[in-house]
Amino acid sequence: DAGVIQSPRHEVTEMGQEVTLRCKPISGHDYLFWYRQTMMRGLELLIYFNNNVPIDDSGMPEDRFSAKMPNASFSTLKIQPSEPRDSAVYFCASKIGMVTEAFFGQGTRLTVV
Amino acid sequence: KQEVTQIPAALSVPEGENLVLNCSFTDSAIYNLQWFRQDPGKGLTSLLLIQSSQREQTSGRLNASLDKSSGRSTLYIAASQPGDSATYLCAVNAGGTSYGKLTFGQGTILTVHP
Repeated sequence: DAGVIQSPRHEVTEMGQEVTLRCKPISGHDYLFWYRQTMMRGLELLIYFNNNVPIDDSGMPEDRFSAKMPNASFSTLKIQPSEPRDSAVYFCASKIGMVTEAFFGQGTRLTVV
Repeated sequence: KQEVTQIPAALSVPEGENLVLNCSFTDSAIYNLQWFRQDPGKGLTSLLLIQSSQREQTSGRLNASLDKSSGRSTLYIAASQPGDSATYLCAVNAGGTSYGKLTFGQGTILTVHP
């Protein structure tokens, strides 16, 4: 398997624009996580899914952020409208079941100018 | 709410030294704990996973221990090498209503100099 695949790897956008980040989890994994990493706050969990259903979205900073998982092989994280403080590295991770190892993608570095 | 703390925040050692990284967590009701490595500008690479029923896991020069009752884990790196330089993160897999959720510490930045 190619691992967790995220796209794009880098995104530069202007404030106010819509940004969509994409994630393809490892085949067969039923948990999917979206994290955000900044120097100040470290790794923060935004939302996670189990069997395509959102379980906990309490980390989503505000209504500008939304996430979907239409099927077991694809998830999106959307920011609309984007703001400079959204600049960060966004990671997607997946795993099988509750007690197994989690695997991370390479991340999307988002810069909002 | 689960909180995870890693000490020290940064560590610089000469090549060949044995070292210990520490991770503590506030809620002992966990399923497991996972150690990761992150190189600059890269994603997270899983190093070791310890289930709540286990005391230790070993992989090569790495040994991780878990004391669930006291809320502590350590990552021991033997005979450190410059290639071990990276940020090391621990993550706790919580139980209860947050089942499956990983909570991370802030990481320890390790530098091994030749």
